[in-house]
Amino acid sequence: DAGVIQSPRHEVTEMGQEVTLRCKPISGHNSLFWYRQTMMRGLELLIYFNNNVPIDDSGMPEDRFSAKMPNASFSTLKIQPSEPRDSAVYFCASSPPPSGGLYNEQFFGPGTRLTVL
Amino acid sequence: AQSVTQPDIHITVSEGASLELRCNYSYGATPYLFWYVQSPGQGLQLLLKYFSGDTLVQGIKGFEAEFKRSQSSFNLRKPSVHWSDAAEYFCAVGPRSNDYKLSFGAGTTVTVRA
Repeated sequence: DAGVIQSPRHEVTEMGQEVTLRCKPISGHNSLFWYRQTMMRGLELLIYFNNNVPIDDSGMPEDRFSAKMPNASFSTLKIQPSEPRDSAVYFCASSPPPSGGLYNEQFFGPGTRLTVL
Repeated sequence: AQSVTQPDIHITVSEGASLELRCNYSYGATPYLFWYVQSPGQGLQLLLKYFSGDTLVQGIKGFEAEFKRSQSSFNLRKPSVHWSDAAEYFCAVGPRSNDYKLSFGAGTTVTVRA
């Protein structure tokens, strides 16, 4: 089975440029999460969607960051304009609907390593 | 507020020796509990999870974890470590509610020496 797919795997860009990260969740999963991982701050939740609707975006650092989920099989995280401090690994994760109860098992993609020069 | 603490930032263990990684949580009620592993350059992979029932949980790759309510702990163990177990390990907790957010610990890096 295909897992969570992220593209690109690596992105190098210059400060001020727009960056778009893409994620395809596992088919049938209805929750999608965007995380950022850095040495200094560890793993941070940026935003999550449930049934394509943004539920909690309190982790989005500032207005330069935006995320969309136009359908159940695709999501984007956009940074515009990018800054060097945005350099990090960005993970997408998805989670299936609850079954027989409520649970939060998440399946992670391989991540996108972003470097902003 | 919920929090997850992994007291050990880095652990070095000899191949074949036992391993125990600590995880403590602060939560209003018993949460769902998870351990994830991240190999270098990879995403996070679920090792095991605890929802209810037997407090000793078996996972993949020979790992197990024990939930101790009285200590608010969910420590991860492996009896005999292999070189391929060198990775970063994350403990995570999630609420028993419609909120699907997980809170992750800071992670413990495991180095395996020959």
